[in-house]
Amino acid sequence: EAQVTQNPRYLITVTGKKLTVTCSQNMNHEYMSWYRQDPGLGLRQIYYSMNVEVTDKGDVPEGYKVSRKEKRNFPLILESPSPNQTSLYFCASIASGDRGYTQYFGPGTRLTVL
Amino acid sequence: EDKVVQSPLSLVVHEGDTVTLNCSYEVTNFRSLLWYKQEKKAPTFLFMLTSSGIEKKSGRLSSILDKKELFSILNITATQTGDSAIYLCAVEAADGSWGKFQFGAGTQVVVTP
Repeated sequence: EAQVTQNPRYLITVTGKKLTVTCSQNMNHEYMSWYRQDPGLGLRQIYYSMNVEVTDKGDVPEGYKVSRKEKRNFPLILESPSPNQTSLYFCASIASGDRGYTQYFGPGTRLTVL
Repeated sequence: EDKVVQSPLSLVVHEGDTVTLNCSYEVTNFRSLLWYKQEKKAPTFLFMLTSSGIEKKSGRLSSILDKKELFSILNITATQTGDSAIYLCAVEAADGSWGKFQFGAGTQVVVTP
């Protein structure tokens, strides 16, 4: 089954304790992206990656890092989480074709930073 | 500054009504506009629009893009309670490469029986 998986699905942590949210897709997509979703603000893009070893900042990259060492994985790293990073995070990958492209979202990771 | 604005923020309709959602945008180097439906989980893709005046249709949902006036409309006819969701609009900017998306805040649609 084609899918994007994220782990963990829920995480409560404390300020300053480094954490990583993993994202993996089994569709061999070149493009992957991370978003955060906050009430009233919609989805905001954090980072995206066009291919292995190629990453770019989205609209809200501060406080986050990513890496793309292999095509299927795109982890999101919070080196020193702060309470304002409490949010719902989505990973996505894109399939492109003649009819345009479709963005597949993972199930989401709800992060709370105390 | 690029921005995507959706309206209304929320609406409540009765089953069978028609709903019209608006997405207006100001984006440098527009490439495409996408619509998503989000229930209590991850967004699911509905449409991608790149050309003006061409209607995309899927069942009771349809969408059209006006690149001159910088907006898109998503219509839902004969609404059902299963249409209750947040509808998200996203615009892709082509800054040299592709893949930078800006989302609107969404429109919450509630369809009552």
